[in-house]
Amino acid sequence: DIQMTQSPSSLSASVGDRVTITCRASQSISSYLNWYQQKPGKAPKLLIYAASSLQSGVPSRFSGSGSGTDFTLTISSLQPEDFATYYCQQSYSTPGFTFGPGTKVDIK
Amino acid sequence: EVQLVESGGGLVQPGGSLRLSCAASGFTFSSYWMHWVRQAPGKGLVWVSRINSDGSSTSYADSVKGRFTISRDNAKNTLYLQMNSLRAEDTAVYYCARLTYTNLYYYYMDVWGKGTTVTVSS
Repeated sequence: DIQMTQSPSSLSASVGDRVTITCRASQSISSYLNWYQQKPGKAPKLLIYAASSLQSGVPSRFSGSGSGTDFTLTISSLQPEDFATYYCQQSYSTPGFTFGPGTKVDIK
Repeated sequence: EVQLVESGGGLVQPGGSLRLSCAASGFTFSSYWMHWVRQAPGKGLVWVSRINSDGSSTSYADSVKGRFTISRDNAKNTLYLQMNSLRAEDTAVYYCARLTYTNLYYYYMDVWGKGTTVTVSS
């Protein structure tokens, strides 16, 4: 089974900051990597699919990069509504698309 | 509007059963593979089960295999999760999600329900 790790597990940042979250797969997954945002009490929301493709309606301050085993989610200028938990997910190995443990972004 | 609405959660004793439903609207339900994902209190997202578009193929996480059964009724635009022999560790919010893919078969879950809460406790 493919294992996913994320770093950091949490971070504190200010509005306007550039934020980078890293996701690592236990084996190469090409670009089969998705990113989701989840706010407390809400369902996850798709941000990025195929490592770098922005989901329709998602602000352009969100971007994804990487391939193989190492991936990055970047928020170019953190906004108040971006404080949330972010999960990566591999979609290379079926049937279960493993999620990372999450990175919580909160206010400094 | 594309929408998924879960129902059927509640409080159940260990060893009991529960059936979750996920009603789909706003899209051609019968064309999509569907998944169940759960989230224990204060924990991360965990994949539970998936079913293909016509219901002929299913898969389960090891933690629920033999106890949970996923199914669908395309005529009713509804996804189900039958949960038997429930344990305390099955306590979670259960989400249904639609699976979409690109022309290069990059898969992703683009539509999620709001979730239904299952609590297993005596």
